[in-house]
Amino acid sequence: SQQGEEDPQALSIQEGENATMNCSYKTSINNLQWYRQNSGRGLVHLILIRSNEREKHSGRLRVTLDTSKKSSSLLITASRAADTASYFCAPHLRGGRGGSRLTFGEGTQLTVNP
Amino acid sequence: NAGVTQTPKFQVLKTGQSMTLQCAQDMNHNSMYWYRQDPGMGLRLIYYSASEGTTDKGEVPNGYNVSRLNKREFSLRLESAAPSQTSVYFCASSERAAKNIQYFGAGTRLSVL
Repeated sequence: SQQGEEDPQALSIQEGENATMNCSYKTSINNLQWYRQNSGRGLVHLILIRSNEREKHSGRLRVTLDTSKKSSSLLITASRAADTASYFCAPHLRGGRGGSRLTFGEGTQLTVNP
Repeated sequence: NAGVTQTPKFQVLKTGQSMTLQCAQDMNHNSMYWYRQDPGMGLRLIYYSASEGTTDKGEVPNGYNVSRLNKREFSLRLESAAPSQTSVYFCASSERAAKNIQYFGAGTRLSVL
């Protein structure tokens, strides 16, 4: 079963506006990651937040994590047309045999209109 | 430094045919993964290899086999393709570190008729 569930499924904004995407998950995590996928391409890692962190910044990206609510949000500030892509959260689950595993949801399709 | 390379990029099969999807990484990563991506289903893990010599089932392993040929290469085999296996397949790799950041290939688009 999928662990990371993104909301909304689709988001359309104007260039310069901020975009906020949310993620919920179900079990304890080591960390939570956000990835981006441009149409027809593979996923690219954006940012990682550890389970003991509450907020993290990277350039125009801001990620928050609330482990009590099992939720995270990704904020992209001053969006650009080039930010148009699908965004996935990926909880890194605790435990499990062998290597660590990420789980992905269906993603949020972000469209930034010029 | 190519990262994760998948071949082929596109493939069309007839039901019952077999094929192997190839994946190679040049980052000296220990762990490798195969996912499939379908509309409305997100990415689902098929198989993974935590380290050379080990493989484990993921969420949707039925109909697939894998081989971790060496540290660099991890192949996915469809023995008897079915239309339900029409999908985009992604290979990924990561260091054997706690944070497990994954690096993805460009994908293989497979259609089974």
